[in-house]
Amino acid sequence: NAGVMQNPRHLVRRRGQEARLRCSPMKGHSHVYWYRQLPEEGLKFMVYLQKENIIDESGMPKERFSAEFPKEGPSILRIQQVVRGDSAAYFCASSPRQSYSNQPQHFGDGTRLSIL
Amino acid sequence: GQQVMQIPQYQHVQEGEDFTTYCNSSTTLSNIQWYKQRPGGHPVFLIQLVKSGEVKKQKRLTFQFGEAKKNSSLHITATQTTDVGTYFCAEGTGGGADGLTFGKGTHLIIQP
Repeated sequence: NAGVMQNPRHLVRRRGQEARLRCSPMKGHSHVYWYRQLPEEGLKFMVYLQKENIIDESGMPKERFSAEFPKEGPSILRIQQVVRGDSAAYFCASSPRQSYSNQPQHFGDGTRLSIL
Repeated sequence: GQQVMQIPQYQHVQEGEDFTTYCNSSTTLSNIQWYKQRPGGHPVFLIQLVKSGEVKKQKRLTFQFGEAKKNSSLHITATQTTDVGTYFCAEGTGGGADGLTFGKGTHLIIQP
């Protein structure tokens, strides 16, 4: 499967625990975007990364959330000390270059995070 | 930041009827993309519009970009049950290093 791969598909955490969400972009794509989707809502941009660089994190909450895209391996979205309000679907998307260059974004299946 | 308003939020139609969703912005958009998300699924890219007044067709789907590049629409002719899902417009600011700004989507519900 050459698409965007996200894991896990479902993740359950208790309040105060850490959640790690992984995303491997499509082959040949070097740009990764993370979005959060609440039920019945649209997708909210969180962060845009290239290899080893955070390009835009204007949509990331100031605390507890971090993201990385190392030289080797998948992009990681990390949520520390999770709270109930973090429950959502988190989608990763990739593109071969920035979307303003007329490239569509290809989305993974998402990780559904549930906080008990 | 940029905001795109999408209406209606929900649309119930009988199978075979037409469907239209509208996307509006208070500022000029550099481009607009449309995505479809099936229940429980992920957004799937449908099309991108870039030029003022652009109209593109994909079988029963017709996409338009307004002359002022502030609005866009998606029209589906003779809906089928496979059209069920949520349709999102999303705008890229163009020239900026940021992600897409999505509308809240229009949920299309089809009654057989």
